[in-house]
Amino acid sequence: AQRVTQPEKLLSVFKGAPVELKCNYSYSGSPELFWYVQYSRQRLQLLLRHISRESIKGFTADLNKGETSFHLKKPFAQEEDSAMYYCALIILTGGGNKLTFGTGTQLKVEL
Amino acid sequence: DTAVSQTPKYLVTQMGNDKSIKCEQNLGHDTMYWYKQDSKKFLKIMFSYNNKELIINETVPNRFSPKSPDKAHLNLHINSLELGDSAVYFCASSRGQGVNTDTQYFGPGTRLTVL
Repeated sequence: AQRVTQPEKLLSVFKGAPVELKCNYSYSGSPELFWYVQYSRQRLQLLLRHISRESIKGFTADLNKGETSFHLKKPFAQEEDSAMYYCALIILTGGGNKLTFGTGTQLKVEL
Repeated sequence: DTAVSQTPKYLVTQMGNDKSIKCEQNLGHDTMYWYKQDSKKFLKIMFSYNNKELIINETVPNRFSPKSPDKAHLNLHINSLELGDSAVYFCASSRGQGVNTDTQYFGPGTRLTVL
């Protein structure tokens, strides 16, 4: 069965420090991976997806099939990056798309 | 011009009651979803509907019954509420269900507290 693992519940960094939020997945098929972010009191929103190979708000994530990882990185953390980050894997079931989320990592950027 | 909206935002009720949460999307999407976020912030899919038809049901107790009157609405009715139903419920929508990388757009969530 597919699974997404985010080993860190909480990650605390200082402003300006590099950030790496870890995500590992297990899936027998070809994975499609996403990072979603939830800022305080706001709705969950898409941050980026691996297929786009884009950088959003300075964040990037590279799919490493050998290590089955999709870590989220940013070279210099900013205070406004403080939020809950979810890694997610989408699979196409017999009926439709299904997003499987990791348990989330709370990022706290301190001054 | 909110894309995905949910009502109510907060719902506090007694054990044993029946309650409904409504969801509407104005994005013209064909597929809608319900997710549950528990107290540990773990998000898990509950249901998915495509064009008013149930396509995903993730072993949710049958006290939970989704209803889709049209493809822009997906309501969640919960019978005989239990303490363990306390959570934040998120509605989401996406363009289709056959596109593997389709982005899902989430509503603001409904915080349900069962006393």
